[in-house]
Amino acid sequence: DAKTTQPTSMDCAEGRAANLPCNHSTISGNEYVYWYRQIHSQGPQYIIHGLKNNETNEMASLIITEDRKSSTLILPHATLRDTAVYYCIVRSITDSWGKFQFGAGTQVVVTP
Amino acid sequence: NAGVTQTPKFQVLKTGQSMTLQCAQDMNHEYMSWYRQDPGMGLRLIHYSVGAGITDQGEVPNGYNVSRSTTEDFPLRLLSAAPSQTSVYFCASRVGPGANTQYFGPGTRLTVL
Repeated sequence: DAKTTQPTSMDCAEGRAANLPCNHSTISGNEYVYWYRQIHSQGPQYIIHGLKNNETNEMASLIITEDRKSSTLILPHATLRDTAVYYCIVRSITDSWGKFQFGAGTQVVVTP
Repeated sequence: NAGVTQTPKFQVLKTGQSMTLQCAQDMNHEYMSWYRQDPGMGLRLIHYSVGAGITDQGEVPNGYNVSRSTTEDFPLRLLSAAPSQTSVYFCASRVGPGANTQYFGPGTRLTVL
């Protein structure tokens, strides 16, 4: 059973903010939300993760709703190099390694 | 640090051949894993290891063997290659349990004819 739901694809204009939604309505209290991205022909790259508070780092911001049933990854100023597949993953820190599961993700295309 | 390295980058095999995909990390990470990625799909976990001498199966382990004799290395063996194993293979590592970052290698693109 998929733990997360993401749109299949979205476009974003270069220089604008990209807001990537993710639904995780069955998330439990000890599960984190992770975001990774995969640029074409490369290995996935970690972006950010959070439990319930909003998080920000040099790459992106993560906004988690108060009920934790959905989240949004924000790329503040998208560049052409941000074109990639973005994966939202829900995982408990107490789960065994095998629970770190990638779905199909969202294909983001940044256009000039 | 080189991070996670994988060799070879590309490989073509005939059905029934065997081979080993190499993975190494220089970050002293306890946890290592192998994923495969088929066109248009996300990553699926093949095998993982939580430390030297300890391995376990992931979602799709059939047809693959692993061993972890050192912290640095985690090779993946294809025992008798089949066309269904045509895929891109990624190795990953992380420090250990808990909420921390997983680092991926650049991938090996395998074609089985």
